Amino acid sequence: DIQMTQSPSSLSASVGDRVTITCRASQSISTYLNWYQQTPGKPPKLLIYGASSLQSGVPSRFSGSGSGTHLTLTISSLQPEDFATYYCQQSFSAPWTFGQGTKVEIK
Amino acid sequence: QVQLQESGPGLVKPSETLSLTCTVSGVSVSSGSYSWSWIRQPPGKAMEWIGDMSYIGRGNYNPSLKSRVTLSIETSKNLFSLKVTSVTAADTAVYYCARWRQLQGLYYFASWGQGTLVTVSS
Repeated sequence: DIQMTQSPSSLSASVGDRVTITCRASQSISTYLNWYQQTPGKPPKLLIYGASSLQSGVPSRFSGSGSGTHLTLTISSLQPEDFATYYCQQSFSAPWTFGQGTKVEIK
Repeated sequence: QVQLQESGPGLVKPSETLSLTCTVSGVSVSSGSYSWSWIRQPPGKAMEWIGDMSYIGRGNYNPSLKSRVTLSIETSKNLFSLKVTSVTAADTAVYYCARWRQLQGLYYFASWGQGTLVTVSS
């Protein structure tokens, strides 16, 4: 199985901050990487697919980049509704696997 | 708008079978562009993909669970189902059903149900 490791596991930030979350894969996954946002009691919501393609309806402050084993999610200017947990997920080879999550908290 | 809704018992006894159903609205489970998936999230742990099935009945399973999992799909009722046999406390989790979409060679979980907590306890 491909192991996905996110860093940091949590972070504190203020509204307006630029935030970057990293996802490392145990082997190359090219750009077969998706990002999801989850708030408490809700299901995950797709933000980014194919490493950098923005899902319809997702604000442009979210962006994804990278390929191979090192991929990132960036929030250019953190908004109050962005405080949540973010997960990466590889779609390179089954079984599809997720990172352990990065919790973004209010500073 | 595509909606998925899980249903089933919230409490299952050890060694018994966990059974969940996901009812789909807004799209047909017979659509060739999608597979229908189950994912679980144990308390405080990472999400784990259980498996998925297409309308033609072709299933893909996580090898870690394959021996205990059965997936099925009922096109006439527009729903799909999960069974996990011989459950233990380690199977306690929030279970999600999801739509696995293929778009231009890329794959992702496009829609999710709200999730249902299943607790394994006597």
